[in-house]
Amino acid sequence: QVHLQESGPGLVKPSQTLSLTCTVSGGSINSGDYYWTWIRQAPGKGLEWVGHIYYSGSAYYNASLKSRANISVDRSKNQLSLGLNSVTAADTAVYYCARGLTGNAFNIWGRGTLVIVSS
Amino acid sequence: DIQMTQSPSTLSASVGDRVTITCRASQSISGWLAWYQQKPGKAPKLLIYKASDLESGVPSRFSGSGSGTEFTLTISSLQPDDFATYYCQQYYNSRTFGQGTKVEFK
Repeated sequence: QVHLQESGPGLVKPSQTLSLTCTVSGGSINSGDYYWTWIRQAPGKGLEWVGHIYYSGSAYYNASLKSRANISVDRSKNQLSLGLNSVTAADTAVYYCARGLTGNAFNIWGRGTLVIVSS
Repeated sequence: DIQMTQSPSTLSASVGDRVTITCRASQSISGWLAWYQQKPGKAPKLLIYKASDLESGVPSRFSGSGSGTEFTLTISSLQPDDFATYYCQQYYNSRTFGQGTKVEFK
C-alpha cells in the first residue's frame, strides 16, 4: 500500500524559502500512471491547490502564487519536493502531498505537515 | 480561472437525514469533478470522482451527480461518522477547490 509522508522545517522566516519533501513508500514515484500534487490549508481555512507534476516532469502551478512555487521529483530517492520562495505569513498552512491517476482526482494523501512563517 | 462555489457553507442535520450539497462551477467542467471528506486534523479523503464514480471502499450512501456546471453530493442516510467538512474540486482545467461545506449536528 502506497504511503506518503511530508517532512520539512516547521518554522520558516518571512522572505525565506519554504522547502518540503514528500517521501513515497510502498510504490514507485517513477510511474507514468500517476501524477503528484501539493495542496495546502491555512489554519481554519479551505483547501488550496499549490501545483502538480506529471511523470514527464511538466509542472503546473496555482497562478495566485505568482511564480514563487517549484515542484520537482527525485526518482532516485522516490521523493516529491516543493519549494516556495519569498514566503509571508499568508503561506502559513498545513501542506499535503497527494497522488492521483494521471489527470484524475487525488486518492492518496499524506498526513500533512504544518509550516509556520514567522520571525 | 475556474471558480467553484459550494452551498450551503454549513449544514445542520441529524443522523438518518438525507443530505445534499451543491457545487457550481463558473464554467463548464464536463464531469471532471471530485468530492472529498475531511475531518479535523486529518487529510482529505476522496469520496467521488468523475462526478459520480464512487471511490473504492466508500460507503454506498454517498453518491454524486451532475455535469457541466452544477453538481451535487448526496448522503442518503447520514451516519455519525459523516459529520465532517466536504469539498468539491474541479480537475478540468488546472485544479480548484470549493470553499467547503461543514456538516454539523442539528
